Amino acid sequence: EAAVTQSPRNKVAVTGGKVTLSCNQTNNHNNMYWYRQDTGHGLRLIHYSYGAGSTEKGDIPDGYKASRPSQENFSLILELATPSQTSVYFCASGDKNTEVFFGKGTRLTVV
Amino acid sequence: TQTVSQSDAHVTVFEGDSVELRCNYSYGGSIYLSWYIQHHGHGLQFLLKYYSGNPVVQGVNGFEAEFSKSDSSFHLRKASVHWSDSAVYFCAVRSSSGSWQLIFGSGTQLTVMP
Repeated sequence: EAAVTQSPRNKVAVTGGKVTLSCNQTNNHNNMYWYRQDTGHGLRLIHYSYGAGSTEKGDIPDGYKASRPSQENFSLILELATPSQTSVYFCASGDKNTEVFFGKGTRLTVV
Repeated sequence: TQTVSQSDAHVTVFEGDSVELRCNYSYGGSIYLSWYIQHHGHGLQFLLKYYSGNPVVQGVNGFEAEFSKSDSSFHLRKASVHWSDSAVYFCAVRSSSGSWQLIFGSGTQLTVMP
């Protein structure tokens, strides 16, 4: 069964610290996505990737970097975390004409 | 630029009622449309999709959606809702060529009263 696994599931970080959110997919999908979900905003696309070595900016990339070292793994990196980045983050994978599969989310709190 | 609009933030119905959740999009080329459901505290789960062919597509749990190019719409419907259908529903659009960005609407909270 298609699976997208996010780690950690919960994270508390300090302002100015570095945070790395990890995502692994066993679907062999080329495309992977990082979203954040906030009340009143729905899901907003941060970064996405077409395949290993590729990262593209989504709608709200400022303050975030992404890394796709392999087909299976796609990380979201906050070099200098800020309280405004407190949110729930979702990773997803998909391919042309397929449904997109989502992870269970990571709740990040920046204090 | 692709955009997705879900005009109703909240919809409340009674169990057994029919429901339609509205979704309108703007995009000039070929697109891929889908609906997702999110129960409280959980991730998103796929309901159904449309890419081409029959404009009425069937999904899981009795949901269906109808694509209309003239109205730029992809509304979700269910003939008889159950309390367990209470959730947030998201419409999403993705270009079928070029950029693979998947863009979501703001979601509609469906509440089914007993």
